[in-house]
Amino acid sequence: EVQLVESGGGLVQPGGSLRLSCAASGFTVSSNYMSWVRQAPGKGLEWVSVIYSGGSTYYADSVKGRFTISRHNSKNTLYLQMNSLRAEDTAVYYCARAGGAPPGAFDIWGQGTMVTVSS
Amino acid sequence: DIQMTQSPSTLSASVGDRVTITCRASQSISSWLAWYQQKPGKAPKLLIYKASSLESGVPSRFSGSGSGTEFTLTISSLQPDDFATYYCQQYNSYLWTFGQGTKVEIK
Repeated sequence: EVQLVESGGGLVQPGGSLRLSCAASGFTVSSNYMSWVRQAPGKGLEWVSVIYSGGSTYYADSVKGRFTISRHNSKNTLYLQMNSLRAEDTAVYYCARAGGAPPGAFDIWGQGTMVTVSS
Repeated sequence: DIQMTQSPSTLSASVGDRVTITCRASQSISSWLAWYQQKPGKAPKLLIYKASSLESGVPSRFSGSGSGTEFTLTISSLQPDDFATYYCQQYNSYLWTFGQGTKVEIK
């Protein structure tokens, strides 16, 4: 079964760090474009970051310099390292596969993991 | 960055109605646009990709059209399961962006 399962969310203080994980099954993470998308409580979807199959990475301006996307090929897992967290980073974080040709439409989503930044 | 603007923000409709949602891009994105449906507490679901291609398993009452800067999502006959929030998303540039969403409510 094709599936993404996120973990690692939780409560963290402003200025703190957190690493999210997204374990894939049924397909190979390193052969696909993989993204993180977040949704603040009661708000819309916000694209956060992407890692291309070739390894290039891109970030939304709101997280650039603070967040790092990466993957572990043998574990078939995607990560999001989040540093210098702010209250406005509070959101449900989804990992998603960007499929198609060219890749870009998110055809597989995880269930999401909640990150709360608060003192 | 490319900005995506959806209209309306909220739409009240009845079962059986034809519903149209518009998405405008701040610059041309060719046909690199997707549409998603999201229900409360759930992950979004892909409906349409490349502006007008129907994702496998999505009912044929959903259709997409447009190119360049103006796009539409149409539901030909609204069903009870379709009351949800809909988002457009562009993937023309390497910085992808979503519209702010359109909530389809029961009239």
